[in-house]
Amino acid sequence: DVVMTQSPLSLPVTLGQPASISCRSSQSLVHSDGNTYLNWFQQRPGQSPRRLIYNVSNRDSGVPDRFSGSGSGTDFTLKISRVEAEDVGVYYCMQGTHWPLTFGGGTKVEIK
Amino acid sequence: QITLKESGPTLVKPTQTLTLTCTFSGFSLSTSGVGVGWIRQPPGKALEWLALIYWDDDKRYSPSLKSRLTITKDTSKNQVVLTMTNMDPVDTATYYCAHKKLYCSGGSCYWYYFHYWGQGTLVTVSS
Repeated sequence: DVVMTQSPLSLPVTLGQPASISCRSSQSLVHSDGNTYLNWFQQRPGQSPRRLIYNVSNRDSGVPDRFSGSGSGTDFTLKISRVEAEDVGVYYCMQGTHWPLTFGGGTKVEIK
Repeated sequence: QITLKESGPTLVKPTQTLTLTCTFSGFSLSTSGVGVGWIRQPPGKALEWLALIYWDDDKRYSPSLKSRLTITKDTSKNQVVLTMTNMDPVDTATYYCAHKKLYCSGGSCYWYYFHYWGQGTLVTVSS
């Protein structure tokens, strides 16, 4: 199985400051079809996961542009340019390139 | 508008079989390139993918749970059913279903994973 390792586990951030979450995979996530199936999800307390980013860097509709995804191969990053109160929650990366599908362990973003 | 909703028992006893239903609208599982997956989340823990079924009845399972899982679809009812045998307290979790599809644009295609999720259903395993 492809292991998805996220860091940090917990990320206290001051409102208005940037935040960055790392996700590393144990194998390259480049699919044979040429795509890289790395997704980012946000899970607010008590809610279902919400996809923010697909295929490394494509922001979903309705997602604020302060969220951005980058990376390649085995090393990926989710950045929040200026954290707002509504960004509190747990963030997960997920790879869809290899079976079985696997998620990272999550990064909890909280306000200092 | 795509929606999914999970249903099933909230409490099962150890060794029993769990049957969960995902009822969806806004898409058809008879359409080429469409799939529905199941993901679970134990309280306070991370997400774990379980199984996925495609429009052509291709099925994929988590290897660690494959012997206990069965995923089926009923296209006429817009439902996907997941059964998990021999339930144990460690299987206590919120179970979600989510939509997957093949998206093609400008001559290129890619898989569009889990943009839509159900609200989840909490299943507790206890005697």
